[in-house]
Parts: sequence; structure tokens; C-alpha cells
Amino acid sequence: EADIYQTPRYLVIGTGKKITLECSQTMGHDKMYWYQQDPGMELHLIHYSYGVNSTEKGDLSSESTVSRIRTEHFPLTLESARPSHTSQYLCATRRAGVAGELFFGEGSRLTVL
Amino acid sequence: GQQLNQSPQSMFIQEGEDVSMNCTSSSIFNTWLWYKQDPGEGPVLLIALYKAGELTSNGRLTAQFGITRKDSFLNISASIPSDVGIYFCAGLTNNAGNMLTFGGGTRLMVKP
Repeated sequence: EADIYQTPRYLVIGTGKKITLECSQTMGHDKMYWYQQDPGMELHLIHYSYGVNSTEKGDLSSESTVSRIRTEHFPLTLESARPSHTSQYLCATRRAGVAGELFFGEGSRLTVL
Repeated sequence: GQQLNQSPQSMFIQEGEDVSMNCTSSSIFNTWLWYKQDPGEGPVLLIALYKAGELTSNGRLTAQFGITRKDSFLNISASIPSDVGIYFCAGLTNNAGNMLTFGGGTRLMVKP
């Protein structure tokens, strides 16, 4: 079972602020993902990575950016937060060779005022 | 893009009752998965199905991969209060970079 840690769990900030949501995993999984989820709604893929120095945009257009300098970390950054960015952001990993089985973090709930 | 239609969207059930939910698509999937999300948490994998017609159980949960590969269902037997949460189906094809497509979720609420 993967250990995935997301920080902060909850964040309330003002419009225009720059924020970084952290995601760390200890299992050495190559593939990592960021999903955006409004409360109780479906998950939308916004970014993914196949490994170090690999980043791709997902199905849902997002103004956020990601980086993958180390296997363990996959931070997501919003340069200038807006109220439309208010949502829950879920980080996930997947083992190589195991189709579809994602391990999710607990999520970061972002509120932009 | 691919879409998964999950039903029902929500349901109240009496404790002890059996529950059934399903997921359908116009597209074929090679893998079906069922996740559960508790309030304030990330989804957790319940069951993964890899072959058409496959029937797999995990405790009180049973899921099947439809023969047409366009649907899947999840049954929960003898529901208990801790079954409350949102259940998501997800499908995977070998196309599109092996990305999961998620359904809209079924919110399960249990009357004690």
C-alpha cells in the first residue's frame, strides 16, 4: 500500500496569492497524478507524470503547473489564485505495470476568497 | 471523450439491506475499478476487474465486469453505517496513455 502525503490539508487564501500544494510518496512509484474534485463530484485529471522530468496536462484545462524533479515529490503550483480555483485537489500514484490501481492522498481543500 | 454514466446518483438504504449500483459507457474498457471515498478523504480502491465476465468479491462487496466490456456493477450486501460514502467506478483502456476515466459517483446514505 502506498503512503502518500498531501499538505496542506486545508488552505484559505486571498485572490492573487501564489500557492503550492505538496504531494509526497514513499513507495517509489513512477507515475503520479493530480485530480481536481468539487465536493461530491467526479474526479478530473489535471496533471500527470510518468517519472522524473516528465509532466503532462490532463483532460481538464488548469491554470496550475507541476514539476517532477524527484520521484517522491510532485508539487502543484498556482501562480495567482482565483475564486474559480476553489476545489479539492487529490494527488495519486500508480505502480508500474499495474493497470488502473491508483493510490490517493487525503487531498488538499483549497478555498480562494 | 469517454464518459461513464453511474447510477443511481444517490440512494438511502436501510441498514441490513443489499445495495446495487452500476456504471455504463458507450466505450469499451479493458479494466474496471470501483473506489470508495469517505468524506474529507481520498478515494480508496475496493475492487479491480481485468477480464470481461469476471466476478470478484471483497468481503460484502461483489463487482462484475460486463460481458460487453461497456458496463460494470457493484453490489454491497447487508449494508452497515460505515458503508456511507461516495462510490466511484473507473474504466481504463489501453488508449489515451492508460488514463482512468471516472464516473460521477453514487452517494450512499444509510439510515441507522
